[in-house]
Amino acid sequence: AQTVTQSQPEMSVQEAETVTLSCTYDTSENNYYLFWYKQPPSRQMILVIRQEAYKQQNATENRFSVNFQKAAKSFSLKISDSQLGDTAMYFCALTNAGGTSYGKLTFGQGTILTVHP
Amino acid sequence: EPEVTQTPSHQVTQMGQEVILRCVPISNHLYFYWYRQILGQKVEFLVSFYNNEISEKSEIFDDQFSVERPDGSNFTLKIRSTKLEDSAMYFCASSAQGSLTGELFFGEGSRLTVL
Repeated sequence: AQTVTQSQPEMSVQEAETVTLSCTYDTSENNYYLFWYKQPPSRQMILVIRQEAYKQQNATENRFSVNFQKAAKSFSLKISDSQLGDTAMYFCALTNAGGTSYGKLTFGQGTILTVHP
Repeated sequence: EPEVTQTPSHQVTQMGQEVILRCVPISNHLYFYWYRQILGQKVEFLVSFYNNEISEKSEIFDDQFSVERPDGSNFTLKIRSTKLEDSAMYFCASSAQGSLTGELFFGEGSRLTVL
């Protein structure tokens, strides 16, 4: 069975600073995808960034980047130049590649990030 | 920007009653999903649906649950006889493709409270 663990229930950061959210996972699959989703208060989850396990290069999307350590099964999210609009619940998620399993996400518990002015 | 919409946003029901949660996926999407999140717990996969049939379902998705796409636009989740433990937030999602290129788009969720 796959598991995803986010050990930080809550984090806070000052506007314009950098924050890193942690995620570890476990899977027996060799080919899988990892995601970070953001859920602002009373809004839907939106995809922030994704990483394909077979790619060694860490994914980057503007101010968001990941540190993917496959051997350690670690997938952290770094948010640079934090903005007030980054305040949200952040979920780490995992899915197997291929077949009918794509879209069957295994989620972590979530980390509430608060950006302070 | 296209969105996945869900109704109702909150439903309160008595134990044993049937509940239907509705979702309108993004119009050109072909893959549909239901997830749920019990308060204080993780978001859990329930079921995926493609080409008018279930692709995959979790252990949670037992005989009291069903899904259908009755009219080509709505995607519904039915719980036949609700239990207290069905109280949760239910999220619908859709994607254009069943692959990495098919990003999942989630709705805002329907909160179900079973009394």
